[in-house]
Amino acid sequence: QKEVEQNSGPLSVPEGAIASLNCTYSDRGSQSFFWYRQYSGKSPELIMFIYSNGDKEDGRFTAQLNKASQYVSLLIRDSQPSDSATYLCAVGQRDTDKLIFGTGTRLQVFP
Amino acid sequence: DAGITQSPRYKITETGRQVTLMCHQTWSHSYMFWYRQDLGHGLRLIYYSAAADITDKGEVPDGYVVSRSKTENFPLTLESATRSQTSVYFCASTVRQGATYEQYFGPGTRLTVT
Repeated sequence: QKEVEQNSGPLSVPEGAIASLNCTYSDRGSQSFFWYRQYSGKSPELIMFIYSNGDKEDGRFTAQLNKASQYVSLLIRDSQPSDSATYLCAVGQRDTDKLIFGTGTRLQVFP
Repeated sequence: DAGITQSPRYKITETGRQVTLMCHQTWSHSYMFWYRQDLGHGLRLIYYSAAADITDKGEVPDGYVVSRSKTENFPLTLESATRSQTSVYFCASTVRQGATYEQYFGPGTRLTVT
C-alpha cells in the first residue's frame, strides 16, 4: 500500500514566522510531488509542485524535496493569518496524474 | 465564466438509490478526476479520465461508474448508494504543458446517504 504521511497538527505559528510542513512517502518510484491548500469547507487549491531534488521557490512558498529520504516539505515565509488552512501533500508517478494524498496538516497562524 | 462546476452541491439520498453527480469544465482539459474526501482518509481517487471515452479506476472505484462522452463533462454515478458513500466529492481537471502543470478542483458535492 503506497502511503503519504503528514502530521495532522495543528501547527501553530505566529504571524511573520516561517511555517514548516512536512510529508513522507513510501513509494520510492514516486516522481511528482504536490502541495495544496484547503480552507475549511472549500476545495483544494494547488500551491506548488516539484519533480527534482532540491528547492523550488514561488513567492513566500518553498517546496523542498529529498528523494533519498523520501521527504518533501513546504516552507511558508512571513506567515499570515490568511495562510491558516489545511495543507495537503500528494505524490505520484511522473507523467501520470494518479496521485496519493496525505491526510493534511492544519496550520494556524495567530496575530 | 471559465471554470469547473459541480452539481448538485448538496444531495441527500436513500440507501439503494442511484445518484449521479455532474462535473463540467470549460477549459477543455484532457484529464479529469473524481475524488472523495472523508475525515481521516484525506482525498482518495475514485476514477479518472485521460480523454473523452478513456476512463480508468483509482483507489476506491467499487460502487461507482463514470463515463466521458464529451471532453467537458465527467459524470459520476453511484449505482446503488450505501451509507459508506456519504462523503464530499470533488471533481478536478488538469493540464500539462511542458514544465507547467495546472490543476483545478470543483467546489464539491456533499452527499449524504441515509
